[in-house]
Amino acid sequence: GEDVEQSLFLSVREGDSSVINCTYTDSSSTYLYWYKQEPGAGLQLLTYIFSNMDMKQDQRLTVLLNKKDKHLSLRIADTQTGDSAIYFCAEMRSNNDMRFGAGTRLTVKP
Amino acid sequence: DGGITQSPKYLFRKEGQNVTLSCEQNLNHDAMYWYRQDPGQGLRLIYYSQIVNDFQKGDIAEGYSVSREKKESFPLTVTSAQKNPTAFYLCASSSTSEIMDTQYFGPGTRLTVL
Repeated sequence: GEDVEQSLFLSVREGDSSVINCTYTDSSSTYLYWYKQEPGAGLQLLTYIFSNMDMKQDQRLTVLLNKKDKHLSLRIADTQTGDSAIYFCAEMRSNNDMRFGAGTRLTVKP
Repeated sequence: DGGITQSPKYLFRKEGQNVTLSCEQNLNHDAMYWYRQDPGQGLRLIYYSQIVNDFQKGDIAEGYSVSREKKESFPLTVTSAQKNPTAFYLCASSSTSEIMDTQYFGPGTRLTVL
């Protein structure tokens, strides 16, 4: 398909792990990104992964990349109420065109 | 502090009026971008500029115009020709000298047409 796809909603309990999934479009994409957007704010770069990597870990965040399936995931360990936000997946395509998913709204329940 | 600023945070416009959204960055980035965000949709690229005095249309440029007279500034004008202008507008910038070309975003401007 032409679009970067994400599920629109995810709800988890505080302390659980959250996994947000994304499928992207260009097998030649160089970088894949995760951005976080809090209500009424701009996008904050959370983490990124280079396309020749399978996994990247950064404190509570783990990014997994499956190039064969063009699948990207973001795992947040020990999810907190402050993690409630919209999470955007984005790919930097081979032509340097950046494409975003529609965003996954993560709700963390106490 | 280095960063991207957008003003105003909230903007109201009457139908038929043009309005200009401000975007300024002090990151010394060459490239700047304007995106539109609608509920339940991804970001859609309106215009981008890789260098001063040059800019290109994105996916949804109709009804919008931009200028890039200074490296730090990339204002977006929403014209009366834009049929559905109510949206959240995000400006971003990136350094084309970096391999990653990661985009960094401003806080956004919410435009409401009354």
